[in-house]
Amino acid sequence: TQLLEQSPQFLSIQEGENLTVYCNSSSVFSSLQWYRQEPGEGPVLLVTVVTGGEVKKLKRLTFQFGDARKDSSLHITAAQPGDTGLYLCASYSGGSNYKLTFGKGTLLTVNP
Amino acid sequence: DSGVTQTPKHLITATGQRVTLRCSPRSGDLSVYWYQQSLDQGLQFLIQYYNGEERAKGNILERFSAQQFPDLHSELNLSSLELGDSALYFCASSVGGWETQYFGPGTRLLVL
Repeated sequence: TQLLEQSPQFLSIQEGENLTVYCNSSSVFSSLQWYRQEPGEGPVLLVTVVTGGEVKKLKRLTFQFGDARKDSSLHITAAQPGDTGLYLCASYSGGSNYKLTFGKGTLLTVNP
Repeated sequence: DSGVTQTPKHLITATGQRVTLRCSPRSGDLSVYWYQQSLDQGLQFLIQYYNGEERAKGNILERFSAQQFPDLHSELNLSSLELGDSALYFCASSVGGWETQYFGPGTRLLVL
């Protein structure tokens, strides 16, 4: 089973600051997904990256997939209190296995 | 609102007891997934059903079982409950497999 390491585990910043969170694995990802989970709710898919070196933007969020497809980052520009939540990366196991493996997440708090 | 419903929202029970968690997938989705989220283990895949049949299994304990009914709703049965089973249990659904999974709001289980 592929292990996904996320860092940092906790991040508390002020509104308007920029931040980057990371997701790493010792194995190659077939694809990688980023989710955000708000308190009391289930995770919501933000983006899926598939190609090594791929960069995707979602408003103030920029997602990068490493060239070797073993790491990914999520950068948030000018963070807002509404960005507060648990950011999770996840990857499917390959082949006929449909298991989605999650990292333990980065808990982000953006203070007004 | 993801379109996935889970009941109950909260459940408090005692060690040794048995509980049933219920999930209704989004309209048109054939796959249902069950996950357990705890502070120490993070979000862990338990089991997947596709159109009534078990498709993939994760680290699901023998005390836990699930099924998917002809109307596609699913139930997760947890028996001989232990304190360590206290967690958030999420259901997700997708059209088939490998596509976007939509998560329900979860059931918070507390075993006393």
